[in-house]
Amino acid sequence: AQSVTQLDSQVPVFEEAPVELRCNYSSSVSVYLFWYVQYPNQGLQLLLKYLSGSTLVKGINGFEAEFNKSQTSFHLRKPSVHISDTAEYFCAVSSLRDYKLSFGAGTTVTVRA
Amino acid sequence: DVKVTQSSRYLVKRTGEKVFLECVQDMDHENMFWYRQDPGLGLRLIYFSYDVKMKEKGDIPEGYSVSREKKERFSLILESASTNQTSMYLCASSLVGGNYEQYFGPGTRLTVT
Repeated sequence: AQSVTQLDSQVPVFEEAPVELRCNYSSSVSVYLFWYVQYPNQGLQLLLKYLSGSTLVKGINGFEAEFNKSQTSFHLRKPSVHISDTAEYFCAVSSLRDYKLSFGAGTTVTVRA
Repeated sequence: DVKVTQSSRYLVKRTGEKVFLECVQDMDHENMFWYRQDPGLGLRLIYFSYDVKMKEKGDIPEGYSVSREKKERFSLILESASTNQTSMYLCASSLVGGNYEQYFGPGTRLTVT
């Protein structure tokens, strides 16, 4: 079974500052990794995914994440945030044996002017 | 674009009522999922289905059942609603043989009084 730990539950950040959201996972098998975003009163939307290949993955809205197999981490970064990035962010992992996703508890990002 | 729709955005029911939550996807996906989302707990899988009339329990199936009579429709049933089932319910779908990405509906916020 897989599990995901998001190390920060709340991240306040000023507009145009960088942000990093930390995600660690545990699994005994190979995995696919995902970051989803949930804007207020909406469903989840995929930001980016790691399936294989380059460990640096670029996603939508200027976000990127780096897969580190030795540290079992998949941290999400954005060099300069906007007010519109205020949302909840979820890290998720899927084993290659089935199509289920295991989610972290989420990180709420609040961007202030 | 994949579209996943849920029958209600907000629902208020009384304790003991039978509740139906409907989910429809329009992209011919084989896999469909029901999650509940609670603050600090992330998304937890209730049930999933790999095909019509097939279902498997997720992590928290107690108090819930599901029905999948047609490929595009996946229903979540609360046989006798209780106050501890007050939550946000999210439906998702994905493609067998795809990249494991799940597409989410907007969610139904259920309040049981």
